[in-house]
Amino acid sequence: NAGVTQTPKFRILKIGQSMTLQCAQDMNHNYMYWYRQDPGMGLKLIYYSVGAGITDKGEVPNGYNVSRSTTEDFPLRLELAAPSQTSVYFCASSYESRGNYEQYFGPGTRLTVT
Amino acid sequence: GENVEQHPSTLSVQEGDSAVIKCTYSDSASNYFPWYKQELGKRPQLIIDIRSNVGEKKDQRIAVTLNKTAKHFSLHITETQPEDSAVYFCAASINFGNEKLTFGTGTRLTIIP
Repeated sequence: NAGVTQTPKFRILKIGQSMTLQCAQDMNHNYMYWYRQDPGMGLKLIYYSVGAGITDKGEVPNGYNVSRSTTEDFPLRLELAAPSQTSVYFCASSYESRGNYEQYFGPGTRLTVT
Repeated sequence: GENVEQHPSTLSVQEGDSAVIKCTYSDSASNYFPWYKQELGKRPQLIIDIRSNVGEKKDQRIAVTLNKTAKHFSLHITETQPEDSAVYFCAASINFGNEKLTFGTGTRLTIIP
C-alpha cells in the first residue's frame, strides 16, 4: 500500500492564480480530510468527506473547494490564491472501525502564494 | 465549536527524565482524544489515543490520562530519548475522530543529551 499520497510536494503561486492539490489513498478508507498547518500552529480542518459524493465544511473552508467523486481521490481546489493561503496542506484518511480511529496523513504540500 | 488549548508550547528535558504535556477541551460531548507526533518536515503520526470511557492508557514509555470532569487530558513520556524530540499535538473529537478533529497548537519537545 502507498497509503495517502499528495501532489505536488511544493508549489509557488502568484496572487489570483488557481490550482488543485491532489490527494489519493489506496486503503479503501471512507473518511478523507484536508488540513492546513501554518508555521508554529496546529492543524486546522478545511473540508472533510464521509464518502464518495459527500463533503462538508471544516473550520476554515473559505477560499477552497473540494469534490469526492471516488473513494480514492479527494482533490482540494484553490481559486484566486491569496497570501493568507500560504501554508502546508495535509490530506488524511480514516475508516470507521471499532477500536481504530487513526487518521493517516499524507506527506504534505508546501504552498507559497506571492 | 470545540476549542483545544495545549501547554506548554515548548519543553526541554534532560535525556532520561519525564515529559508531561497538558491539554484542555471545551466541548463536554468530546469522546476521543488522540496525540500525534510530528518530526521536522514530516507528516503527523498517531502515537496514542484514549476514549472517554477510559481514564488512562499506557503504551510502553507513553501514557495518556483523561479527566472528563475537568475536561483535561495529558501526555506522559517517561525515560525520554533523543528520538522523542518532535512537535506533539493533542486533539479532541465528538465522533471518535471520524469527521472533525480539533487540534491544539502543539508542543515542541527537545530532549537534551
